[in-house]
Amino acid sequence: QKEVEQNSGPLSVPEGAIASLNCTYSDRVSQSFFWYRQYSGKSPELIMSIYSNGDKEDGRFTAQLNKASQYVSLLIRDSQPSDSATYLCAPGGLPSGGYNKLIFGAGTRLAVHP
Amino acid sequence: DTAVSQTPKYLVTQMGNDKSIKCEQNLGHDTMYWYKQDSKKFLKIMFSYNNKELIINETVPNRFSPKSPDKAHLNLHINSLELGDSAVYFCASSRHTGGGSPLHFGNGTRLTVT
Repeated sequence: QKEVEQNSGPLSVPEGAIASLNCTYSDRVSQSFFWYRQYSGKSPELIMSIYSNGDKEDGRFTAQLNKASQYVSLLIRDSQPSDSATYLCAPGGLPSGGYNKLIFGAGTRLAVHP
Repeated sequence: DTAVSQTPKYLVTQMGNDKSIKCEQNLGHDTMYWYKQDSKKFLKIMFSYNNKELIINETVPNRFSPKSPDKAHLNLHINSLELGDSAVYFCASSRHTGGGSPLHFGNGTRLTVT
């Protein structure tokens, strides 16, 4: 089993719809979770952090975390063509000699069409 | 001001050559990283330094040698370059090594080995 699993997509949604991105992870010790957005040819940029079970909202983005199920998701409301990118899930705190090591999923490619 | 800057942006070289990539962060972070993103866009950690000390060393060929002269700088030297080394290399930093600390990425160095 991969450490972090994401559906590679592409996930195609119409403009204005809700895009739902999912991620499962294999470790049981991660306490922090991050979503990054990566445009083609660019570097990953942090868009959401979540540390507790439940929902966290920031503008059009909502992250949902369920540690018992080892599942984290990202919802993008009112999707815009500018949201078209690859979204990377990264659980933090994976043990590596006691140090934080972010392991990234392979990413889900989102395509928002007008 | 650029938070994490790396140079060069592009690097084209022949097999067998030696090359270096430099990285600097002005965020005052304690921890710096090198990640490799291959053609399948999978982002994989290579090394991490905390206050100039190597703390994470993944299974990377010893042709790759990182160096951190101070906590704001992390360089990567690669000896005897091979075709398989072609990838985008990202430098990143985080406030500390704790699990709740997200990464801030540089713009990447696209290495092409011919």
